[in-house]
Amino acid sequence: DSGVTQTPKHLITATGQRVTLRCSPRSGDLSVYWYQQSLDQGLQFLIQYYNGEERAKGNILERFSAQQFPDLHSELNLSSLELGDSALYFCASSVQGAHSGANVLTFGAGSRLTVL
Amino acid sequence: DQQVKQNSPSLSVQEGRISILNCDYTNSMFDYFLWYKKYPAEGPTFLISISSIKDKNEDGRFTVFLNKSAKHLSLHIVPSQPGDSAVYFCAASGQTNAGKSTFGDGTTLTVKP
Repeated sequence: DSGVTQTPKHLITATGQRVTLRCSPRSGDLSVYWYQQSLDQGLQFLIQYYNGEERAKGNILERFSAQQFPDLHSELNLSSLELGDSALYFCASSVQGAHSGANVLTFGAGSRLTVL
Repeated sequence: DQQVKQNSPSLSVQEGRISILNCDYTNSMFDYFLWYKKYPAEGPTFLISISSIKDKNEDGRFTVFLNKSAKHLSLHIVPSQPGDSAVYFCAASGQTNAGKSTFGDGTTLTVKP
């Protein structure tokens, strides 16, 4: 158990629908990151929050949004879902927000989204 | 533009031999390079890192080498064990990107008994 909790583990939904993925970071970590891994591809950075504020944005679609709450858990909202959104969505956390030293990420086990 | 590339999708080695996984990058502003290991149905886990001011870092059976002039790093596993069979991701981070890590596509290592 890495200490990063993601729910749900699996989710099957239809095109056009909206889903919410939830992440609880490791205790003491202030930063939360969301990554997308499509089939046999690498981890694509979506967005980062640090202590409730958006810190960095990657290739996140406008149909996707995220937030980090005062208790530091984060949610990734995916709307108007398309077949191509089917992927593994990983949440990771770290102590740092700004970089100082190697910023080691602790990952959750991922949420597998299947859009039919 | 993929800033971190792992050009070998897979690698197979015999138990006890050396495994060498390679990674190339394009952004000279990266400050740290990290390797993560991923087993099926699990998230990636941190393995080893190296600062851009070093050329080698060792941790037990794992050694990472950095060649800044070539923008290339490699992970050596000696001796390789069947339990090392996993997907290995190379990642890079720097001050200019608020600490977020940019990942390569991964290399699947298979260590045969």
